[in-house]
Amino acid sequence: EVQLVESGGGVVQPGGSLRLSCAASGFIFDNYAMHWVRQAPGKGLEWVSLISFDGSSSYYADSVKGRFTVSRANSKNSLFLEMNGLRPEDTALYYCAKDYSLANWGQGTLVTVSS
Amino acid sequence: DIQMTQSPSSLSASVGDRVTITCRANQGINNYVAWFQQKPGKAPKSLIYGASSLRSGVPSRFSGRGSGTNFTLTISSLQPEDFATYYCQQYKSYPLTFGPGTKVDIK
Repeated sequence: EVQLVESGGGVVQPGGSLRLSCAASGFIFDNYAMHWVRQAPGKGLEWVSLISFDGSSSYYADSVKGRFTVSRANSKNSLFLEMNGLRPEDTALYYCAKDYSLANWGQGTLVTVSS
Repeated sequence: DIQMTQSPSSLSASVGDRVTITCRANQGINNYVAWFQQKPGKAPKSLIYGASSLRSGVPSRFSGRGSGTNFTLTISSLQPEDFATYYCQQYKSYPLTFGPGTKVDIK
């Protein structure tokens, strides 16, 4: 069974940083691209980033480009999102999701940016 | 960027009703569309990919159609567990984009 477990969320002041993690199990992690998707409270889904299966390519939403960095450690079945220069509008539940068509999702980790 | 729109934004329906949600892209995306169901407080669940391919374990009352710019998600006979918000999403090009969602609630 595919399992994705996000962690690392919390409360941070504007301008601060956080590193999110996603632990994957139940599938061959290094065969699949992985996404980060976020959902602000009471709002719809917003795609954030994708990293290719081998980490050689990554893509970002314009709203996070230059501030967020996606990476992965295939030997540890782990996906990461380094978030810098956080803004109040980054407040959201952050999900990781498996493969290009987002076949499976974790339960999310909440990031709150507030002073 | 590719913009995805959905209609209606919400609908009220009864158990047993046939429900169709429409999703449109502002440029051609072949069949690179996925549909997701989200219930309150839960993560999204993938229902359909490739515009019409049903995910394993998803009931056959769900179906997807379309290609190019126009897509539909149909629930042939609405069940109590289907009351949720539905999102379409294109994965033809970056940035990937979601529709704004369609909330299906009980009439």
